[in-house]
Amino acid sequence: GAVVSQHPSRVICKSGTSVKIECRSLDFQATTMFWYRQFPKKSLMLMATSNEGSKATYEQGVEKDKFLINHASLTLSTLTVTSAHPEDSSFYICSARKSGGGTDTQYFGPGTRLTVL
Amino acid sequence: ILNVEQSPQSLHVQEGDSTNFTCSFPSSNFYALHWYRWETAKSPEALFVMTLNGDEKKKGRISATLNTKEGYSYLYIKGSQPEDSATYLCAFSTSGTYKYIFGTGTRLKVLA
Repeated sequence: GAVVSQHPSRVICKSGTSVKIECRSLDFQATTMFWYRQFPKKSLMLMATSNEGSKATYEQGVEKDKFLINHASLTLSTLTVTSAHPEDSSFYICSARKSGGGTDTQYFGPGTRLTVL
Repeated sequence: ILNVEQSPQSLHVQEGDSTNFTCSFPSSNFYALHWYRWETAKSPEALFVMTLNGDEKKKGRISATLNTKEGYSYLYIKGSQPEDSATYLCAFSTSGTYKYIFGTGTRLKVLA
């Protein structure tokens, strides 16, 4: 087990619209989920840590009002890119850490490619 | 700023060749080093998590070693096969946090 799904896999939207990306742990509970962003030829960069039932913790330089994160259940976290602009175009990927596990292994979704026109 | 470096960025090998990559990470506040295998359009797959200096892990033809004192880990693939073609990522996590700091990955292409 330890499967994480992410939807949609690809989205194209107009500038000014909001886009929601879902991250689900399919066969385990995840108290903590993480959202990453990858720029071309760069490493995965942590945007925020999402904790079930509490506010997300954002990394330095990440606008919390631009990237809204909700972790309403132990199997679902959502990232909403609000009023998207072309510079928000990127690859976004989530991961989940098993609740109660002794390891800090993160299990990843397949990612979402966002293109803002 | 904590930085994780991976080398080489990419390489091509012939089927049957053995190969290895390097991951360099800060040696202070070390908690764990993770290796992932990432095929295009799929989720990164966890290969190894290593925590102790001198750790060696093996999974089939893939193995990894860890040196926390000098801050590096090697990933070895023995007898490479075309299905080993993927990007191999390493990630470092520090004591007291579950956050990962990733390297940029090594893109491996195994030619049949």
